[in-house]
Amino acid sequence: GAGVSQTPSNKVTEKGKYVELRCDPISGHTALYWYRQSLGQGPEFLIYFQGTGAADDSGLPNDRFFAVRPEGSVSTLKIQRTERGDSAVYLCASSLSEGSTQYFGPGTRLTVL
Amino acid sequence: QKEVEQNSGPLSVPEGAIASLNCTYSDRGSQSFFWYRQYSGKSPELIMSIYSNGDKEDGRFTAQLNKASQYVSLLIRDSQPSDSATYLCAVMNTGNQFYFGTGTSLTVIP
Repeated sequence: GAGVSQTPSNKVTEKGKYVELRCDPISGHTALYWYRQSLGQGPEFLIYFQGTGAADDSGLPNDRFFAVRPEGSVSTLKIQRTERGDSAVYLCASSLSEGSTQYFGPGTRLTVL
Repeated sequence: QKEVEQNSGPLSVPEGAIASLNCTYSDRGSQSFFWYRQYSGKSPELIMSIYSNGDKEDGRFTAQLNKASQYVSLLIRDSQPSDSATYLCAVMNTGNQFYFGTGTSLTVIP
């Protein structure tokens, strides 16, 4: 079956702009995770959803970051007033249930100029 | 103290040798442990998960877990050049939060 998909694959934006990153999880997976990965680092947890609700958003760095999953499937990560330090690869992963194996999407490479 | 710590390497082994990758974690109550492989420019892909103390084998890969020592390792037997990648250790702690290490870069020399 289809894996986790993310769009766009690359996003270049200017400092101060708003961006949306989309994640389409594996069908039937109830848990969805967002991570951010900088060069030479492991994925850094941002937020995870169980169904439609954000079960844990403790990894969001500040209130410029927000994520939604209104129907319990597709999720959108939203970043307001982007800063150069937001440049990273944003990874989405889904799992059948909370705590089970996570499968990653290909990521969105965000570059803030 | 970081939740998950790995030696960043780089680790180089000759083709056919055993590669040993190590990981320690801070939350003693953690129950779920994962090894992911990440090729340059790609996303992480799961190699193995392990939940109980002891060894778990899958082909050329063996994961070892010692909860008393808060230590997880991955052994790769008969290493191949295609195994060259960064290996990420991930731990789910008692708060159901996932933490990844910074990864160990492995190079298998033909």
